[in-house]
Amino acid sequence: QLQLQESGPGLVKPSETLSLTCTVSGGSISSTSYYWGWIRQPPGKGLEWIGSMYYSGTTYYIPSLESRVTISVDTSKNQFSLKVRSVTAADTAVYFCARHDYGFNWFDPWGQGTLVTVSS
Amino acid sequence: SSELTQDPAVSVALGQTVRVTCQGDSLRRYYVSWYQQKPGQAPVLVMYGKNDRPSGIPDRFFGSTSGNTASLTITGAQAEDEADYYCNSRDSSGDHVAFGGGTKLTVL
Repeated sequence: QLQLQESGPGLVKPSETLSLTCTVSGGSISSTSYYWGWIRQPPGKGLEWIGSMYYSGTTYYIPSLESRVTISVDTSKNQFSLKVRSVTAADTAVYFCARHDYGFNWFDPWGQGTLVTVSS
Repeated sequence: SSELTQDPAVSVALGQTVRVTCQGDSLRRYYVSWYQQKPGQAPVLVMYGKNDRPSGIPDRFFGSTSGNTASLTITGAQAEDEADYYCNSRDSSGDHVAFGGGTKLTVL
């Protein structure tokens, strides 16, 4: 059974870089059928897709965040990572990772999510 | 604002049928998926493709699309169906992912 787990600091200072890792178990991140995505949810608000990447390195990002975001993969560790630079309080959210079928537009399964708070 | 539009809230009496809708031009060209999210939990995929349910999702959940509107219909709503529901597809350009703003479903 495929499982995903986010990890990383729960508190980041304004203007610094948010860094999260998603560890995939029960399956290979090098699967040729799927992308791997990050989605966030500010407290009390809806879901926002951040970006997705294929194991080979192809990435897609939401245009509004593209200048500050990098998604990368480490196939040797079966992990993929998210970096958001120059964070502000608006980046405070629960961050989820998920397997992504880009062609058919679905995410499954999802990690449990991790709350990242941007505050000094 | 989201390129996929959902009603903020919908209610249904226990055991009755309810439809949650999602509107957007991209739905004419791309598949939609639906997620159920309960408080403090990660979203769960409940519908994808033309009308496909992941394993474990009850058959009272049904998906359909007509023109620019996708619908998630729950026939015989149960108390455990009370949750936020999000649709997901592409933005109007087709290049990027979009989520609807979410619908809070209350089962009365």
